[in-house]
Amino acid sequence: SQTIHQWPATLVQPVGSPLSLECTVEGTSNPNLYWYRQAAGRGLQLLFYSVGIGQISSEVPQNLSASRPQDRQFILSSKKLLLSDSGFYLCAWSWGYQNTGELFFGEGSRLTVL
Amino acid sequence: QKEVEQNSGPLSVPEGAIASLNCTYSDRGSQSFFWYRQYSGKSPELIMSIYSNGDKEDGRFTAQLNKASQYVSLLIRDSQPSDSATYLCAVNNAGNMLTFGGGTRLMVKP
Repeated sequence: SQTIHQWPATLVQPVGSPLSLECTVEGTSNPNLYWYRQAAGRGLQLLFYSVGIGQISSEVPQNLSASRPQDRQFILSSKKLLLSDSGFYLCAWSWGYQNTGELFFGEGSRLTVL
Repeated sequence: QKEVEQNSGPLSVPEGAIASLNCTYSDRGSQSFFWYRQYSGKSPELIMSIYSNGDKEDGRFTAQLNKASQYVSLLIRDSQPSDSATYLCAVNNAGNMLTFGGGTRLMVKP
């Protein structure tokens, strides 16, 4: 079976500090990978998605970046955090081949920027 | 812009009743439709997928799709307090992207 893990689960960071969130998927090959953000009481905002190693598409211009160094690893980064970066960050995967459209989420990382 | 609309709620139902959650979408080309359940502080969990017009039942959950009316619904029979959560409707327009609604908060009162 497939599993997805992301970490850290919770972090509190000062404004201007860097950020690195990591996500890995097990049990499948060549998945599509996604980073979403959910601000408090708000809907899901797609930040980045990737269909393969080194292939990243950005949906929203911001001070965040994403990388996919390995097939099942997806990393969200920032060089300098803003207060507005606070939120619940969710990594997700979908089937790369014969995609049914179903999206499966990791446990989430709650970021508070002070 | 492709949109998915849901009433934010809260929708309050007594334990044992049927909860009815509704969702409309703007893109007539949408092919796949999903319902996610999200408990407070947790990540969304996929509970139902529906791809063709009509009803799809899974246990206490029934998803209903009407492409002509661009309408998706989720019925929860015999609602339990453990069903209290936010329910997100999601639509796949093409390719690998889902568009999510803002979610409906459901409260099931004992």
